[in-house]
Amino acid sequence: DQQVKQNSPSLSVQEGRISILNCDYTNSMFDYFLWYKKYPAEGPTFLISISSIKDKNEDGRFTVFLNKSAKHLSLHIVPSQPGDSAVYFCAASANPTGANSKLTFGKGITLSVRP
Amino acid sequence: NAGVMQNPRHLVRRRGQEARLRCSPMKGHSHVYWYRQLPEEGLKFMVYLQKENIIDESGMPKERFSAEFPKEGPSILRIQQVVRGDSAAYFCASSPPTSRLPPRTDTQYFGPGTRLTVL
Repeated sequence: DQQVKQNSPSLSVQEGRISILNCDYTNSMFDYFLWYKKYPAEGPTFLISISSIKDKNEDGRFTVFLNKSAKHLSLHIVPSQPGDSAVYFCAASANPTGANSKLTFGKGITLSVRP
Repeated sequence: NAGVMQNPRHLVRRRGQEARLRCSPMKGHSHVYWYRQLPEEGLKFMVYLQKENIIDESGMPKERFSAEFPKEGPSILRIQQVVRGDSAAYFCASSPPTSRLPPRTDTQYFGPGTRLTVL
């Protein structure tokens, strides 16, 4: 049962334009969502996160939007740069007891930014 | 401030041998998590440990796999009698403790991974 879904396996955008990466989840207990960027043969690098008490979080060129009613979040990168080309993973965790907990990952989206 | 460290980066084992993967968390982090990534897949949770305690091992295979995080030294993921299906990238992450009230503070930071190849 895929609790975090990234339905588009790949995305190609022109340098300077906006990249929008989507993610859907099914577990209503998830209360913390994160985006990671991963280059081949490296570990995932944390990009940005959002708590379920918010609907938007922004950090430089990266903005994450959360729509709890739709169980949907998206990562916006603007402007996109060639160095943004990588695999992007959406992840989520549930914290019902106030303790740390595991992350559940989507399968990832490969973003290609064309010069 | 050094990040999460994993060694070895690459490990080759023959079927039936043992594999030991090591992870040193970021300074100040006492929570360690292990994940496995199979080809063309996302990362799958295996186990979550604090010093000398296994907190959640719901993702660990029932046999051949074990993990520890001793009072001193790195966390170890041990795979006994490896099989070809164990070939994967194994990632370790660490985090600080979360806060009981929002917003969360337990962002996990990942190491570079150990790529295990079983011949």
